[in-house]
Amino acid sequence: AQKVTQAQTEISVVEKEDVTLDCVYETRDTTYYLFWYKQPPSGELVFLIRRNSFDEQNEISGRYSWNFQKSTSSFNFTITASQVVDSAVYFCALSNAGGTSYGKLTFGQGTILTVHP
Amino acid sequence: DAGVIQSPRHEVTEMGQEVTLRCKPISGHNSLFWYRQTMMRGLELLIYFNNNVPIDDSGMPEDRFSAKMPNASFSTLKIQPSEPRDSAVYFCASKGFGNQPQHFGDGTRLSIL
Repeated sequence: AQKVTQAQTEISVVEKEDVTLDCVYETRDTTYYLFWYKQPPSGELVFLIRRNSFDEQNEISGRYSWNFQKSTSSFNFTITASQVVDSAVYFCALSNAGGTSYGKLTFGQGTILTVHP
Repeated sequence: DAGVIQSPRHEVTEMGQEVTLRCKPISGHNSLFWYRQTMMRGLELLIYFNNNVPIDDSGMPEDRFSAKMPNASFSTLKIQPSEPRDSAVYFCASKGFGNQPQHFGDGTRLSIL
């Protein structure tokens, strides 16, 4: 069975601080995909990134960066110089790459990030 | 480009009434997913379709819930009869072929009194 754990339920930082959101996953599949989604206070779920299990290169997009380490089954998300607009719930998710449950997402419980001015 | 469109955005109804939630996926996407989000249980997958065919409905809580996808551009999730514990935000998501990411609608906030 697949499982995604986001151990940090809530994080509170002050604007301009860097913050890292942790994500640890479990799967028996050798090929899989990892995702991060953002849910701002308005409630919609916004796709941020997808990473496949064969690509362990870190990725940077503006103030966002992701660190995928297969050896520790982790896919952590860092926001550099956080801003108030980053306040949201962030979800890490996992899907396998084949079989009958192809494309089905398993979500973590989410981390509530609050950035104070 | 239009995203996933859900209606209604909010629904308040009394226990026992039938509730129908609607979803229009992104054009060209071949998979559609229905999720429920609550504080207690987080995001739960209820059912998903590939090419309009239900593939996995193991997340549907009970027989009061049913979902259909009569064509590639429309899906419904129906609750009959509704109960207060069905109160939640219901999301629809769609994705394209292969391992494309799922894109979510804005959700329907359902309150059963």
